Amino acid sequence: NAGVTQTPKFRILKIGQSMTLQCTQDMNHNYMYWYRQDPGMGLKLIYYSVGAGITDKGEVPNGYNVSRSTTEDFPLRLELAAPSQTSVYFCASTKGMGPTGELFFGEGSRLTVL
Amino acid sequence: AQTVTQSQPEMSVQEAETVTLSCTYDTSENNYYLFWYKQPPSRQMILVIRQEAYKQQNATENRFSVNFQKAAKSFSLKISDSQLGDTAMYFCAFRQSSASKIIFGSGTRLSIRP
Repeated sequence: NAGVTQTPKFRILKIGQSMTLQCTQDMNHNYMYWYRQDPGMGLKLIYYSVGAGITDKGEVPNGYNVSRSTTEDFPLRLELAAPSQTSVYFCASTKGMGPTGELFFGEGSRLTVL
Repeated sequence: AQTVTQSQPEMSVQEAETVTLSCTYDTSENNYYLFWYKQPPSRQMILVIRQEAYKQQNATENRFSVNFQKAAKSFSLKISDSQLGDTAMYFCAFRQSSASKIIFGSGTRLSIRP
C-alpha cells in the first residue's frame, strides 16, 4: 500500500524560482493537508482541502498556492521562492472528521532555497 | 483561534523510566479531538494516541497513556517503561470536531538513554 506519496524528496531552488511539490494518496481520503516543519520546530499548516475543488488557508499560506482537481492529488505550488521557505514539507490526509480521523503522512520533501 | 503549546522543547530520561510530556491548548469549543504524534529520526509521523473531549476516561495504548484535564485544557502524554525506540519528537495536535483544520504544537524532543 502506497499511502501518501510526496515528490520530490529533496530539492534545491534558487531565489525567485518556482516549483511544485506533488502529493498523491491512494486511500480515497477526502481531507488533505500541507504542513511545513522548520528545523527543530513544530508543524505549521499551510493549506488544506476537504475535497476536490475545495481548498482553504492554514496558518502560514503566504507564498504558496494549492489546487485540488482530484481526490487523489493535492499539489503545493511555490511561487518566487525565498530563503524563508527553506523547510521540510509534509503532505497528510485523513478519511473524515470523526474521532478516528488519524492523519496519514508522507515522508516529507526537504526544500532548500539559496 | 485555537493554539497548542508544548512547553518542554527537550527531555531526556533513562531507559525503563516513566516520562510525561506536557501539552496545553486554547479553545472556546466544547467538542474536539486531541492527538499525540511521534516523529522518529526517520521523519515518518505516526499516531501514538488520541482522545475525544467528550470522553472523561483517559485514553491508553499499551505503555502510552494520557492525562486529559478538560477544565485546565491540558493533555499530557505519559510513557511508561520507556524504551530506546521511544526516542523521537512528540507533537500534540488539536482538531475541533466541527472543523477540518488540524493544529500542531511545537514539539518535544525526547531522548531515551541506555
